[in-house]
Order: sequence, then C-alpha cells, then structure tokens
Amino acid sequence: GQNIDQPTEMTATEGAIVQINCTYQTSGFNGLFWYQQHAGEAPTFLSYNVLDGLEEKGRFSSFLSRSKGYSYLLLKELQMKDSASYLCAVTGNDYKLSFGAGTTVTVRA
Amino acid sequence: IAGITQAPTSQILAAGRRMTLRCTQDMRHNAMYWYRQDLGLGLRLIHYSNTAGTTGKGEVPDGYSVSRANTDDFPLTLASAVPSQTSVYFCASSPGTSGADTQYFGPGTRLTVL
Repeated sequence: GQNIDQPTEMTATEGAIVQINCTYQTSGFNGLFWYQQHAGEAPTFLSYNVLDGLEEKGRFSSFLSRSKGYSYLLLKELQMKDSASYLCAVTGNDYKLSFGAGTTVTVRA
Repeated sequence: IAGITQAPTSQILAAGRRMTLRCTQDMRHNAMYWYRQDLGLGLRLIHYSNTAGTTGKGEVPDGYSVSRANTDDFPLTLASAVPSQTSVYFCASSPGTSGADTQYFGPGTRLTVL
C-alpha cells in the first residue's frame, strides 16, 4: 500500500515563509504532485516533481528527494489568500495518485 | 468555459436509495477518476477509467459502480446508499495516464446519506 504523511495544520503570519513537509512510502515512484484546496472548493494543481531538486514557481517552490522519500512545498511572502489545505500526492507503479490527508495552512494578519 | 462539471452540487439521500452522480468534461481528456474526500483521510480513489469503454477499481470501490460510454461522461452510481457513503465526491480528468499527467478536478458533490 501507499503511505503519505504530512502535518495536519500549520499557522503563519502574513509575509512570512512556511514549509510543508511530506514523506512517502509507495510501491514505485512516478512523480509527486502538490495541490491547493480552498475550503469548499476543488483541489487545483500547484506543482509536479519527478527528479530530485527544487522547482520554483513564483512564490511557491517544491523540493523532492527520491532517496529519502521526502518532499516539501515552500510558500513565500504569505498572503491571506494562501489560507487553504495543501495536498501531497504520489504516483506509484500503478500510475494512480495516492493522496496524503492534507495540511491546513492558516495565515494570520 | 472548458473544464469539468458535476451534478448535483449537493444531495441528501435516504439510506437504501439509488443515486447517480454525474460528471462531464469538455477537455477531451482520456482518463477520468472518482474520489471521495473525508475529514482526516484525504482523497481516496473509488473508480477510474483510462479511456472510453474501460473502467477499473480504485482503493475503495465497494458499493459504487461506474460506466464510460464516451469520452466526456463518467457517472458514478450508488446502487443502495448507506450512511458511510456520506462524503464529498470529486470527479477528475487527465490527458493521459502517465505519472506526469496532471489531474483536473470538478467542483464536487456533497452527499449526505441518512
């Protein structure tokens, strides 16, 4: 089976930086995704990593270490609109996405 | 507007009733998926379809069935609803089935079974 762990909740101040960690143990590996989900809405794609290293997209960056089964999503210059759940998902040998339970980030003024 | 639509938005259903959740995409994506999302458990795959005419079972398929008669539509049926099927249901699609294919999600259906 697939096991994907991420913290349940994180709180940070507007303008700060937050790092959301994700560790995984899966049957094979074909990529790791991060999705953002605002309350009551659908998940939306943020990033995809398949090779080790850092992928940067504006205020958001995602890092992957395949040997450690580890990824993080870095949110910089936090804004109130970044308050949401962030979902880590891994594609295994079956090419199906397995999701972690999600990390709820609350941004305070 | 291109994307995925789901219907109904929400539904309250008596236990034992039959219910079909509808999902339609206009992106000509080959693959489609049904997930349920429950507090603390994250998204779990119910059924999937890699291409029109084929379907497969996901992590939690019991009590659900699907069909894929064409590229655009992927309905999910609960033959006899039970309270444990109370959840938020998301339909998703992706262009293909490789590990790199991004999945795009519909707005969800909130289902309550009493």
